Amino acid sequence: DTEVTQTPKHLVMGMTNKKSLKCEQHMGHRAMYWYKQKAKKPPELMFVYSYEKLSINESVPSRFSPECPNSSLLNLHLHALQPEDSALYLCASSPRGVGELFFGEGSRLTVL
Amino acid sequence: GNSVTQMEGPVTLSEEAFLTINCTYTATGYPSLFWYVQYPGEGLQLLLKATKADDKGSNKGFEATYRKETTSFHLEKGSVQVSDSAVYFCALTPNSGGSNYKLTFGKGTLLTVNP
Repeated sequence: DTEVTQTPKHLVMGMTNKKSLKCEQHMGHRAMYWYKQKAKKPPELMFVYSYEKLSINESVPSRFSPECPNSSLLNLHLHALQPEDSALYLCASSPRGVGELFFGEGSRLTVL
Repeated sequence: GNSVTQMEGPVTLSEEAFLTINCTYTATGYPSLFWYVQYPGEGLQLLLKATKADDKGSNKGFEATYRKETTSFHLEKGSVQVSDSAVYFCALTPNSGGSNYKLTFGKGTLLTVNP
């Protein structure tokens, strides 16, 4: 199994809603990542978990809250988002931190 | 700091044409270099990589050689297909010992291949 699975594929939410994005991998990778990608731009790193501990937070606003319940799962909790947060959110995993990332297909978020 | 510069395109080619997408980098030491591809509506996939100078990465007919002297990692393919239409990202991660979780991406190059 070489897949990273993200749900939902599409999400529309209002600025007062609370929602979550989910990510799952069964490759035994110990590093998991959240990236944000705007149209026609490269992905921007948001968070990195290494061995289920938050390793990197790229100064992401607190309205985004990551969670790593176990080594296979990664969540991104969303609350009080702004329209400019609309983007494709990509989850990825890697065997330690070696630059070789396996990406999911992404969750496309629209904030109204 | 680290940076990656790649030709932004868009690049439009006919099927069976030769492809080159230029990529140069700035980094201290000896970074690892990658090409990722993003097909429409999908996430990124690792296309190829090289971890030291003069290494050649190859996959699916694509090749790139790690040139330390010119700090380059140009992507080439001898005969493109319509199915190669995608956005291509050059990226690096520094080899600073131990784990390194940060990839520095170029801005991406949109390739369109016409039949």
